[in-house]
Amino acid sequence: AQSVTQLDSQVPVFEEAPVELRCNYSSSVSVYLFWYVQYPNQGLQLLLKYLSGSTLVESINGFEAEFNKSQTSFHLRKPSVHISDTAEYFCAVTFTSGTYKYIFGTGTRLKVLA
Amino acid sequence: KAGVTQTPRYLIKTRGQQVTLSCSPISGHRSVSWYQQTPGQGLQFLFEYFSETQRNKGNFPGRFSGRQFSNSRSEMNVSTLELGDSALYLCASSLGQPDTQYFGPGTRLTVL
Repeated sequence: AQSVTQLDSQVPVFEEAPVELRCNYSSSVSVYLFWYVQYPNQGLQLLLKYLSGSTLVESINGFEAEFNKSQTSFHLRKPSVHISDTAEYFCAVTFTSGTYKYIFGTGTRLKVLA
Repeated sequence: KAGVTQTPRYLIKTRGQQVTLSCSPISGHRSVSWYQQTPGQGLQFLFEYFSETQRNKGNFPGRFSGRQFSNSRSEMNVSTLELGDSALYLCASSLGQPDTQYFGPGTRLTVL
């Protein structure tokens, strides 16, 4: 069965510390991978995505994620977080087989502490 | 370009009633997907429409239905509401797959 697992429901971290939000997926076909972010009282928006090419993808605000096919993972990292990064982060996958369906993880709430 | 709009933003209904939610996608986007978001469950896929055709459906009971019009606007309907249907319902539009999905602000449905 196809699924996305975000192992951590909440991650507290101090400002300027590094953070890693974990995402693993299960699929029998090739995938496209996404991270979406939902800031407090705002809608979901794309943070970054992997479609093909370089397995390391970056966002404009300093986040990066690496597609690891052998470990079926797409972990999100940032070397130094800011208070403004406090949000809920969702990992999502869709499939190259064209099922027209996106599967989302249950989300990780990142709380950046001063 | 205007973003994805959803109406109404808030709804309060009682058990047994039915409800219709509306979604207007970004101009030019022909794919519209619907999700149910609840705390701890994340986003659960309901269905996806493209050019008025439902191309995929999630694991929800038949009480949940949808449609898409020729202008790409979409509606979803939930009949015989249950308490467990209380959630934030999100609509997302895209040019196609695997393009980025652009989400609306959601409709918060409360069933009493």
